[in-house]
Amino acid sequence: KQEVTQIPAALSVPEGENLVLNCSFTDSAIYNLQWFRQDPGKGLTSLLLIQSSQREQTSGRLNASLDKSSGRSTLYIAASQPGDSATYLCAVGGGTYKYIFGTGTRLKVLA
Amino acid sequence: DTAVSQTPKYLVTQMGNDKSIKCEQNLGHDTMYWYKQDSKKFLKIMFSYNNKELIINETVPNRFSPKSPDKAHLNLHINSLELGDSAVYFCASSQGQGKYFGPGTRLLVL
Repeated sequence: KQEVTQIPAALSVPEGENLVLNCSFTDSAIYNLQWFRQDPGKGLTSLLLIQSSQREQTSGRLNASLDKSSGRSTLYIAASQPGDSATYLCAVGGGTYKYIFGTGTRLKVLA
Repeated sequence: DTAVSQTPKYLVTQMGNDKSIKCEQNLGHDTMYWYKQDSKKFLKIMFSYNNKELIINETVPNRFSPKSPDKAHLNLHINSLELGDSAVYFCASSQGQGKYFGPGTRLLVL
């Protein structure tokens, strides 16, 4: 049974810092992995999608890596801004349809 | 321009009532989903439909009944609402890789 864990559960950093969010999964036979952002009281915004055959994806200040053999993905945020404050969720695709979500990391970037 | 939309955005109702949440996607995707996010913000899949056919049905009480009148719509009907049904319900769609989520419906059962 796939289990997805995100560490840390909460993170508070000063503006401008580079930071790393971690996502671990127990079953390496994944289809893909997707990182989302959720603002308070809002829906999920897709940030990056990594296929199982890929090692990383980049979008702007965001870089997500995937290491299937070790069951890990990291989301790197460069030069963090207060607008980056949100909850970040990773979701592991175990098949075409099914996603298992992690518990999320609540990020607060202080001005 | 809204890709995945849900109505209503908020739903406050008494225990025992029956309510429906509607979802529509204009992305032309074949697959639609319902997820439940609990008070601890944990997201869990409830149902998945592909081309109007049910393909995933997690252990959800049969008080919850999804209905897909066409590929672009997946509605969720809930009978005899209970306090524990209070949560945020998200609709999503996909076509192959990646999922697109709706804004969520915040259900509060009193």
